Amino acid sequence: LAKTTQPISMDSYEGQEVNITCSHNNIATNDYITWYQQFPSQGPRFIIQGYKTKVTNEVASLFIPADRKSSTLSLPRVSLSDTAVYYCLVGGNTPLVFGKGTRLSVIA
Amino acid sequence: GAVVSQHPSRVICKSGTSVKIECRSLDFQATTMFWYRQFPKQSLMLMATSNEGSKATYEQGVEKDKFLINHASLTLSTLTVTSAHPEDSSFYICSASPSMGQENNQPQHFGDGTRLSIL
Repeated sequence: LAKTTQPISMDSYEGQEVNITCSHNNIATNDYITWYQQFPSQGPRFIIQGYKTKVTNEVASLFIPADRKSSTLSLPRVSLSDTAVYYCLVGGNTPLVFGKGTRLSVIA
Repeated sequence: GAVVSQHPSRVICKSGTSVKIECRSLDFQATTMFWYRQFPKQSLMLMATSNEGSKATYEQGVEKDKFLINHASLTLSTLTVTSAHPEDSSFYICSASPSMGQENNQPQHFGDGTRLSIL
C-alpha cells in the first residue's frame, strides 16, 4: 500500500487559492489518487480523484505530474467553511490507508 | 452519487454493554465494506475489511472476538463492539465503493461515523 506524505498544517486567508501537495513515491501502476475532506465528528467526504494529468470538478482541481509521484489539490478562493483536514490517499480497489492529513485553517 | 449511511450516529452506554453499528450502502451494492476507528486528533485507522458472505479480514492488533463484523447482504455490514470498555470509546467509520472487485475504479464513500462513548 503506497504511503503518502503531506504538510501537517496550512493557513490561508479567505478568498485565496490553496494548493496542498502530496508525495507518493511508490505509487503503483493501478493506483488512483483520491482526496478527501474531513470535518470534526464527520466521516471523510470525497473531493476529487484522478489517475494522471489534471482533473477538475466543481469544488477543486487535481494536478498530477507525468511520473505520478506527487499530486496537488487546488482549492480556489477558500472560505471559512473550508477549514478542515484534507487527506491524500493512493490506491485502487483496496482498503485505504490514511496518513496524518493536512489541517487547513482559513482565516477571515 | 454513492451514499453510505451509518447508524447510530452516537451511542453512550455503560461498560460491559455490547453495541451494534450498522453501515448501509443506499444506492449501490457493496460486496466489500471497510471499518475504521479514529481517536481524537488522529487519523483514521483501518480495523477490518468486511466481505459479503464470508469472514471479515482484520488488521493486525484488532481483536476479532471483540469487534464482530457481519456482512449478511450486499448493502449492509454491521460492527458489534462486544463487552465494551472505556478504552473502546472512539469514532467508528465505515466505507464502501460501488466498484470494489471490478476493473473500473470509483472512490470509496464514507458514512458519517458513530461516536461511541463507554462510561
